[in-house]
Amino acid sequence: EAAVTQSPRNKVAVTGGKVTLSCNQTNNHNNMYWYRQDTGHGLRLIHYSYGAGSTEKGDIPDGYKASRPSQENFSLILELATPSQTSVYFCASGDTGRGQNTLYFGAGTRLSVL
Amino acid sequence: GDSVTQTEGLVTLTEGLPVMLNCTYQTIYSNPFLFWYVQHLNESPRLLLKSFTDNKRTEHQGFHATLHKSSSSFHLQKSSAQLSDSALYYCALSVPYQGGRALIFGTGTTVSVSP
Repeated sequence: EAAVTQSPRNKVAVTGGKVTLSCNQTNNHNNMYWYRQDTGHGLRLIHYSYGAGSTEKGDIPDGYKASRPSQENFSLILELATPSQTSVYFCASGDTGRGQNTLYFGAGTRLSVL
Repeated sequence: GDSVTQTEGLVTLTEGLPVMLNCTYQTIYSNPFLFWYVQHLNESPRLLLKSFTDNKRTEHQGFHATLHKSSSSFHLQKSSAQLSDSALYYCALSVPYQGGRALIFGTGTTVSVSP
């Protein structure tokens, strides 16, 4: 009953290629997020969305685009992948009840850019 | 801006000993929400506990933390570590963010418990 599903789980891309990471949630949460995880940096926010049709830049948006075509789906797009984008990417959906914003994470996508 | 600081990158200890992970935060907002997330190897982060009430102890799965607004702290503690507590622990702060809310995470503390 995984509520946040990411695909693919692993991806190897070439430098300069286009990469699309997909995320689907069944929590019916308005907010969705893309984070990347790197040793020494923790989880850093790339893009987020507070509803279908909206996307907002996070703390490290350069080199990334996002798309939220529906309540359930949120994609992260790397138009021209670079080796510095090799990382583990997590999608999350957020429950903002009472302003707390508890996040529920997907299983992650391990991306290697060669 | 808003930030979360976790001073220990790695904590190693023996099973049965107490654990304390430090977390301090900075924010302009007077009513912060603080979280601890735990991530076991090859898994995704999941919520361990959360708090938004000043000076109230919050407990879950043997861990506890108290939000102290006076010192901007939310340290995580456990009285007796178990092997299964070996994991990466993140402290996080919920902040308003461009029309919505987002979590700002610290850099994480890896806990390694040995027999």
